[in-house]
Amino acid sequence: DVKVTQSSRYLVKRTGEKVFLECVQDMDHENMFWYRQDPGLGLRLIYFSYDVKMKEKGDIPEGYSVSREKKERFSLILESASTNQTSMYLCASSLDRAMNTEAFFGQGTRLTVV
Amino acid sequence: GENVEQHPSTLSVQEGDSAVIKCTYSDSASNYFPWYKQELGKRPQLIIDIRSNVGEKKDQRIAVTLNKTAKHFSLHITETQPEDSAVYFCAAPGMDSSYKLIFGSGTRLLVRP
Repeated sequence: DVKVTQSSRYLVKRTGEKVFLECVQDMDHENMFWYRQDPGLGLRLIYFSYDVKMKEKGDIPEGYSVSREKKERFSLILESASTNQTSMYLCASSLDRAMNTEAFFGQGTRLTVV
Repeated sequence: GENVEQHPSTLSVQEGDSAVIKCTYSDSASNYFPWYKQELGKRPQLIIDIRSNVGEKKDQRIAVTLNKTAKHFSLHITETQPEDSAVYFCAAPGMDSSYKLIFGSGTRLLVRP
C-alpha cells in the first residue's frame, strides 16, 4: 500500500518566515508533486520533480521553491511566507515518468500565514 | 496555455439518480484522463481513469467516456448513494510535460437521501 506522508497536518506561521513543508513516499516513485488547493480553484500545480535533484515549475511557482535531494523526499519551501499563501498544500507521487500512472496524495498540510 | 475546464462546480441529485460531470482539455496530444474523489477532510483518491485508445470504461456504478475529437471526457455515476457525496476532480497531462497532471476546478456532488 503506497504511503505518502506530509510532515504536518496544520501549520501557523508569521508573515516573512521561511517555511518548510516535507513530503515522504515509501514506494520508490520517480515523480513527486506539490499542489495547492483553494476553494473553487481545484488543485494547482506548484512544482514537480521527476528525479533526484530535478525539478520543474508548475503553474504557480512564484514565491515557492523545492528540493529533492533523495528519491523519497520532496520539500516545498516558502522563502518568505505571505498571507496569500494561506492554503491547503497537497503532496503527491506517481510511479514512472515514462507513462502516466495514478498519483497518490498525502493527507495535506493546512498552512495559515498570519 | 494548458487548461482543464470542469462543469458543473456543484451538483445536487436525489439518491438513486444519475450524476454526470464533464471536463474539456486543450492539448489534443493528451492520452490519459483520470478522475479523483475527495471526501470531506480526506485526500484525493483515484476512482477511475481512461487512456486515449478507448472511448469508454466502466467500473460498477461509475463510468468515464472520452471524445477525443471534441476534447472532452465525462464521469457518469449511476444509482447514486449518499456516500458518493464528495468533491470530484478530473485531470489531464500537461502540454509541455506529459508526466504532470493538470486538474480541473472540482465538482461538489451532494446526494440527497
